[in-house]
Amino acid sequence: NAGVTQTPKFRVLKTGQSMTLLCAQDMNHEYMYWYRQDPGMGLRLIHYSVGEGTTAKGEVPDGYNVSRLKKQNFLLGLESAAPSQTSVYFCASSLQGDQPQHFGDGTRLSIL
Amino acid sequence: SQELEQSPQSLIVQEGKNLTINCTSSKTLYGLYWYKQKYGEGLIFLMMLQKGGEEKSHEKITAKLDEKKQQSSLHITASQPSHAGIYLCGADTSGGYQKVTFGTGTKLQVIP
Repeated sequence: NAGVTQTPKFRVLKTGQSMTLLCAQDMNHEYMYWYRQDPGMGLRLIHYSVGEGTTAKGEVPDGYNVSRLKKQNFLLGLESAAPSQTSVYFCASSLQGDQPQHFGDGTRLSIL
Repeated sequence: SQELEQSPQSLIVQEGKNLTINCTSSKTLYGLYWYKQKYGEGLIFLMMLQKGGEEKSHEKITAKLDEKKQQSSLHITASQPSHAGIYLCGADTSGGYQKVTFGTGTKLQVIP
């Protein structure tokens, strides 16, 4: 049972490049989340989804887009990467909004 | 300022000693979650508290949510090196049961 799987695990980008982070869960969870974790800032919510075909903005959504075309997948896109987006990105999922979230192992993204 | 304040920010204890980590909010905590994170890894769910005065234990870790539902504490009895890591509290402070706000974490080191 894989749980929450994030790909890739590491990536280095140049400023202005675009990329997509993939999150997949095999637990049939309704809710999915994307966070970024930075030193001293804790875990901040970027975007989230309460079900297939839905997305909503979190605390720090600027510069990111998301899509949830299939229930098991939640994609995070950076259209034009900036050095300020260098961070560790975590995906999480939960059965419902009032249930514990299950986290992936993270993606370390560096933007030069 | 952080919506959820954790204290202390870091803690070094000798193996076998007890310790307490606090998580405080100025808002009502509708659901309070404790997670543990090891360096370079994702968050592992420890416990969830929802009712004022609720207390839960797992092995040597006990978490409590105060009656007013604005503060939670995590207590570790007879600490071991395996307890080392970053402890994060997360909570629903809106009552919408859709998203969770996280504290900045408490880094715990256990010295043998």
